[in-house]
Amino acid sequence: KAGVTQTPRYLIKTRGQQVTLSCSPISGHRSVSWYQQTPGQGLQFLFEYFSETQRNKGNFPGRFSGRQFSNSRSEMNVSTLELGDSALYLCASSLGTGTGEQYFGPGTRLTVT
Amino acid sequence: AQTVTQSQPEMSVQEAETVTLSCTYDTSESNYYLFWYKQPPSRQMILVIRQEAYKQQNATENRFSVNFQKAAKSFSLKISDSQLGDTAMYFCAFIIMYSGGGADGLTFGKGTHLIIQP
Repeated sequence: KAGVTQTPRYLIKTRGQQVTLSCSPISGHRSVSWYQQTPGQGLQFLFEYFSETQRNKGNFPGRFSGRQFSNSRSEMNVSTLELGDSALYLCASSLGTGTGEQYFGPGTRLTVT
Repeated sequence: AQTVTQSQPEMSVQEAETVTLSCTYDTSESNYYLFWYKQPPSRQMILVIRQEAYKQQNATENRFSVNFQKAAKSFSLKISDSQLGDTAMYFCAFIIMYSGGGADGLTFGKGTHLIIQP
């Protein structure tokens, strides 16, 4: 099976802009979770989507949003970018039905200037 | 609040040695899973090993094993016969599971940078 894919791998944006990141989960996986990784805060959970519905959400401002499509692919959007949004954004997929295991994509490196 | 503490920011051992990475966690929930993830310089997060909290038997995956002490909320990772390719950041994490299959996101520790010296 193909692994989790994320596009784009690298992105440079300017403060105030918005950005959309994409994640395609492992075939058959219905849950997609998003994480932000920064040197200062480490790995933090953003949100989880399961069957096109946001099922859980971390402690991030409303500028961070997401959605999931019927084929389980997910997008994450960040509006009004701030310098502090520079991070590695990781997407993880899982079956979503109780095993707990999550498999990560290679990440999108976002730099905000 | 749920937390994970990894008290060793960095460790260095010689190739073929055995190394143990420490992890303690805190949660008031009873249904959860624990994990060790490895993140090499490529930044790809790789699942190393998983432990169900309701199982007393420690999980093992080839050279990797855990020592799970539920009462102490401790979950250490032992790597036997360490190899150069084991050099990476290692993250301890857990996830709370809810009835119906839902779960919170993974809660991660800050990581331990493991260096295997030739």
